Amino acid sequence: DTEVTQTPKHLVMGMTNKKSLKCEQHMGHRAMYWYKQKAKKPPELMFVYSYEKLSINESVPSRFSPECPNSSLLNLHLHALQPEDSALYLCASSRLGMNTEAFFGQGTRLTVV
Amino acid sequence: EDKVVQSPLSLVVHEGDTVTLNCSYEVTNFRSLLWYKQEKKAPTFLFMLTSSGIEKKSGRLSSILDKKELFSILNITATQTGDSAVYLCAPEYSGGSNYKLTFGKGTLLTVNP
Repeated sequence: DTEVTQTPKHLVMGMTNKKSLKCEQHMGHRAMYWYKQKAKKPPELMFVYSYEKLSINESVPSRFSPECPNSSLLNLHLHALQPEDSALYLCASSRLGMNTEAFFGQGTRLTVV
Repeated sequence: EDKVVQSPLSLVVHEGDTVTLNCSYEVTNFRSLLWYKQEKKAPTFLFMLTSSGIEKKSGRLSSILDKKELFSILNITATQTGDSAVYLCAPEYSGGSNYKLTFGKGTLLTVNP
């Protein structure tokens, strides 16, 4: 199994809603990542989890709240988002240590209305 | 200030042509450089380069890294329409307690029949 699975694939939410994005991998990877990708732009790193602990937060607004409940799951809780937060949200995972590539999920296409 | 610069930003070729995509980077605590192909959603992994001057090959694709000049190239020979995609390079470097990827803007390759 070399898949990173993200749900939902598409999400439309209002600015007052609370929703969560989910990411799952069963490759035994102990590093997991959230990226945000706007149209025609490269992915931008948001958060890195290492051994289920948050190790990097790239100054992401608090309306995005990550959670890593166990080594296979990564969530991104969303609250009071703005229309400019509409983007493709990509989850990735990798082994820790040398010579490890990151595997990406198919992403959640988020639209904030 | 961009840490990763890819060129050209877009390229249109005919099937059968050979293309060379460029990536220059400037990061501290560099560990490796990764190339990804992105079509509609998830970036898919192509190569990880850690040593200078050693070419990696996969079918019609090859890539090489120059750690002295902080540069990498991705070659695609005998291009096919299925090669049409955005090609992203990403140096992996230390971000405090963990390593992270920063993506370049990508090269949009269009291969016409």
